[in-house]
Amino acid sequence: AQSVTQPDIHITVSEGASLELRCNYSYGATPYLFWYVQSPGQGLQLLLKYFSGDTLVQGIKGFEAEFKRSQSSFNLRKPSVHWSDAAEYFCAVGAEDTGRRALTFGSGTRLQVQP
Amino acid sequence: KAGVTQTPRYLIKTRGQQVTLSCSPISGHRSVSWYQQTPGQGLQFLFEYFSETQRNKGNFPGRFSGRQFSNSRSEMNVSTLELGDSALYLCASSVPSGDTDTQYFGPGTRLTVL
Repeated sequence: AQSVTQPDIHITVSEGASLELRCNYSYGATPYLFWYVQSPGQGLQLLLKYFSGDTLVQGIKGFEAEFKRSQSSFNLRKPSVHWSDAAEYFCAVGAEDTGRRALTFGSGTRLQVQP
Repeated sequence: KAGVTQTPRYLIKTRGQQVTLSCSPISGHRSVSWYQQTPGQGLQFLFEYFSETQRNKGNFPGRFSGRQFSNSRSEMNVSTLELGDSALYLCASSVPSGDTDTQYFGPGTRLTVL
């Protein structure tokens, strides 16, 4: 079975600074990878996804992520953080053998943005 | 296009009762998945329905069940509620088809069990 690790529970960055949120997955074959964001009391909004092809994927709100098979990682990046980016971020993986839509989520990283 | 809608948004029940939550997917989406979100266990997959059939099931007891109707709307039911069932229940829909096999989430139903 697949698993996802988000090593950072809480990250604080200054507005305008760059951001990188870490995600490591465990799965034998090529996974389907996602990043979602959740604001307090809200559902999940998809930021970006990787299914195949180019390992650097662009998402909404200026986010990007890079799939590195050798490191089993799918880290999320943003060059300049805005105060509105404060939220909780979840990395998720789907797998062909267990169901692409039966996502396994990481425990989340809460992002705080300082003015 | 309207997003995924879930009703009700908030629900309070007592132990031993049962509850039914509803999810209306995005128009044209035929797959509906359900997830439970709690502070302790995080986001966990409950089950997925496609064309009125359960396709996948997570590791939850039989008290958790669901169904899907011919219009793709889905309901999940929890019987004999326990305190630990208090959670945000999220529904997600997808087409599904290859590269568009991406799930879009609704706002969730917040269930409180007293």
